[in-house]
Amino acid sequence: SQKIEQNSEALNIQEGKTATLTCNYTNYSPAYLQWYRQDPGRGPVFLLLIRENEKEKRKERLKVTFDTTLKQSLFHITASQPADSATYLCALDWVVWAGAGSYQLTFGKGTKLSVIP
Amino acid sequence: DTAVSQTPKYLVTQMGNDKSIKCEQNLGHDTMYWYKQDSKKFLKIMFSYNNKELIINETVPNRFSPKSPDKAHLNLHINSLELGDSAVYFCASSSTGQGDHEQFFGPGTRLTVL
Repeated sequence: SQKIEQNSEALNIQEGKTATLTCNYTNYSPAYLQWYRQDPGRGPVFLLLIRENEKEKRKERLKVTFDTTLKQSLFHITASQPADSATYLCALDWVVWAGAGSYQLTFGKGTKLSVIP
Repeated sequence: DTAVSQTPKYLVTQMGNDKSIKCEQNLGHDTMYWYKQDSKKFLKIMFSYNNKELIINETVPNRFSPKSPDKAHLNLHINSLELGDSAVYFCASSSTGQGDHEQFFGPGTRLTVL
């Protein structure tokens, strides 16, 4: 069965530094990979989607890489701020029903990031 | 403007009861989902509907029954509630096709079974 692991349950980092979160997976070849942010008591919020043929994707201070050979995605937050403190979820993204263009996400357990002022 | 809404936000009930959670999205999406997030914060897909048709039906007890009256609504009915059903349930929606199909989540319904 497919397995998805995020490198650590919790990560503490000093404000202004770059936070790097790791997502590894096995027994699977997703066409896409997504990253979400979840704050306490709220639903996940989409951040970035990267396709299997893309090496890197950026959005403001966020950067995602996708290495299908290593079966790994890295998520970077540069110039981190206390407001970036949250749980970040990695999700494998695969086609369930091509005819309907339906996809399914399989989430990792998340990494709780704390940015210390 | 609320994109994906769920009611109720909190639900406390006794074992053995039947309850429903409602979900509505105003994003015009074709696909809707139900997820369960347990006490360890693990988020797991339960069901997915595309245009009112069941697409994903993960291994969940048949006490859980989703119902989609139209594309904008996906409700979750749970019969004979058990202690282990206590969790946060999230509804989500997404568009279809090979373009960006990120999922938009509702605020969640915290279900507590006593």
